[in-house]
Amino acid sequence: AQSVSQHNHHVILSEAASLELGCNYSYGGTVNLFWYVQYPGQHLQLLLKYFSGDPLVKGIKGFEAEFIKSKFSFNLRKPSVQWSDTAEYFCAATIYNFNKFYFGSGTKLNVKP
Amino acid sequence: EPEVTQTPSHQVTQMGQEVILRCVPISNHLYFYWYRQILGQKVEFLVSFYNNEISEKSEIFDDQFSVERPDGSNFTLKIRSTKLEDSAMYFCASSPRADNSPLHFGNGTRLTVT
Repeated sequence: AQSVSQHNHHVILSEAASLELGCNYSYGGTVNLFWYVQYPGQHLQLLLKYFSGDPLVKGIKGFEAEFIKSKFSFNLRKPSVQWSDTAEYFCAATIYNFNKFYFGSGTKLNVKP
Repeated sequence: EPEVTQTPSHQVTQMGQEVILRCVPISNHLYFYWYRQILGQKVEFLVSFYNNEISEKSEIFDDQFSVERPDGSNFTLKIRSTKLEDSAMYFCASSPRADNSPLHFGNGTRLTVT
């Protein structure tokens, strides 16, 4: 079955540290990939998306993600995190069915000031 | 920026009772969705809705669940007879098109079934 996996459930970093959150999907066909962020008490917001083209996509707030087809991965990165990046991050994919998003289990990021 | 709004933010109900969760999607969006997230688990797809009918539903969306767009603005999720395992955060989402347009989510309704 198609699925999206996030292996880091909880990440704790100090401010200015670099961030990489893993995301893998299981589907051999065309995928469209997304990262959403949920700040405490707020709704899910789109950080960035990949449909096609340049596999390195840049999103809001200095985040970027790289699509590596051979590894079925779409890892999220940020070179220097801030305390305000404390949130839960969800990777998601639409696979064969454009109407349905598959979400990973989320990664809670805690940035210490 | 337009938002998807959901009410109430928190609903507590007793097992066996009916609940209706309400959503107002973004006004020019055509596709509507309900997702849920049981505490500590993944965000799961429940149902998608387009042109006044369900376009897809998951195995979770059984006969206890129904959706409705009673007027031009609201989109509701009804659970007829709630069970303890229905306790979750329910997210409404909308998108302007079906072509992988990113979903715009509401803040969610936390449903607690006691």
